[in-house]
Amino acid sequence: NAGVTQTPKFQVLKTGQSMTLQCAQDMNHEYMSWYRQDPGMGLRLIHYSVGAGITDQGEVPNGYNVSRSTTEDFPLRLLSAAPSQTSVYFCASSWTGGQNEQYFGPGTRLTVT
Amino acid sequence: AQKVTQAQTEISVVEKEDVTLDCVYETRDTTYYLFWYKQPPSGELVFLIRRNSFDEQNEISGRYSWNFQKSTSSFNFTITASQVVDSAVYFCALSGYSGGGADGLTFGKGTHLIIQP
Repeated sequence: NAGVTQTPKFQVLKTGQSMTLQCAQDMNHEYMSWYRQDPGMGLRLIHYSVGAGITDQGEVPNGYNVSRSTTEDFPLRLLSAAPSQTSVYFCASSWTGGQNEQYFGPGTRLTVT
Repeated sequence: AQKVTQAQTEISVVEKEDVTLDCVYETRDTTYYLFWYKQPPSGELVFLIRRNSFDEQNEISGRYSWNFQKSTSSFNFTITASQVVDSAVYFCALSGYSGGGADGLTFGKGTHLIIQP
């Protein structure tokens, strides 16, 4: 049981490039979410999904797209990276929503130059 | 809108001292959930505790204890006889419950706890 996995662990992008951060879980959780962590800011919710085919915006969704075609996977897409998106990104999953314990992935450290 | 305030940005104590991390929250929901997470220097997020708004009983787990007071909208975390391994950033978080159960977590900015040997 791997829990929540994220790839890559580190990534450097140039402004304007696109990329996808991968997130997968093997716990059959319905709820998945993406957070970004910036120094002194805590974690902020980007997007979340309550099940396959259903996604919604969190607190800071601009510049990011998500989709959920399977229960296991919840990729986060940056269509045109900006330096303001330099951050550590965490994916999380839980049974039914924010009221449950969230299982976090190890994070992806992204730098946009 | 929900809000979590951790006023203590950084706390430094000497090993074996007791230390309390403060957490104050704001929400309009009558049902909500409070959490504490630990982030050690390695960077992962470790779940410590979950509390729902109808359960105000304090909880103790080994050297850790939590004091939930709805009257002051606080959910404080105390480490007794601190150890160097307790050094980490600690986050308090809040999730509302609007019926759909889909609310994500609102995190505080974290308290960096340094335990000096």
